[in-house]
Amino acid sequence: QKEVEQNSGPLSVPEGAIASLNCTYSDRGSQSFFWYRQYSGKSPELIMSIYSNGDKEDGRFTAQLNKASQYVSLLIRDSQPSDSATYLCAVLTKASYDKVIFGPGTSLSVIP
Amino acid sequence: KAGVTQTPRYLIKTRGQQVTLSCSPISGHRSVSWYQQTPGQGLQFLFEYFSETQRNKGNFPGRFSGRQFSNSRSEMNVSTLELGDSALYLCASSFDRARGNSYEQYFGPGTRLTVT
Repeated sequence: QKEVEQNSGPLSVPEGAIASLNCTYSDRGSQSFFWYRQYSGKSPELIMSIYSNGDKEDGRFTAQLNKASQYVSLLIRDSQPSDSATYLCAVLTKASYDKVIFGPGTSLSVIP
Repeated sequence: KAGVTQTPRYLIKTRGQQVTLSCSPISGHRSVSWYQQTPGQGLQFLFEYFSETQRNKGNFPGRFSGRQFSNSRSEMNVSTLELGDSALYLCASSFDRARGNSYEQYFGPGTRLTVT
């Protein structure tokens, strides 16, 4: 089992819709979770970090964490074409001696 | 505040050569991590330095090494380059390394290494 998995994508949503990106992780002791956005040819950019169960909102972005289910998600409301990018889930894992492990990413395409 | 800088941005090397990449973290950040990104393997952790000490390393061969200086700037070196080392090498900095707590990393623009 991979340490961090994401829905494979690509994910296509119409402009204005809600995009839902999912991530699961294997290390139950993980405490810190991050979402990064990476545009083609650019480096990853931190969007959200979440540490407690529940929802965390920042503008059009909402991160959701459920440690019991080992699941973290990112919702993008009112999706815009500029949101088209690869979204990377990252987890600070105890099992790997406090390394930040990145998932493979989900490619999102917002169709005008 | 200036972001993370990496030099050079692009490199072309031939097999068997060695290469040194440089990273300057955000001012005040003491932790620097290096990652290799390829289309097939995604973002793979190479190593992390904090206060001039290697705190963690990934599953890469000994040809990959790094160091950190007293001003938190870091370098990574790859010796005896192989074709498979062609990748985007990313450096990320964070303020501090509090185990079990937040670890927000900010990435530099990367160095695109091509090995021919």
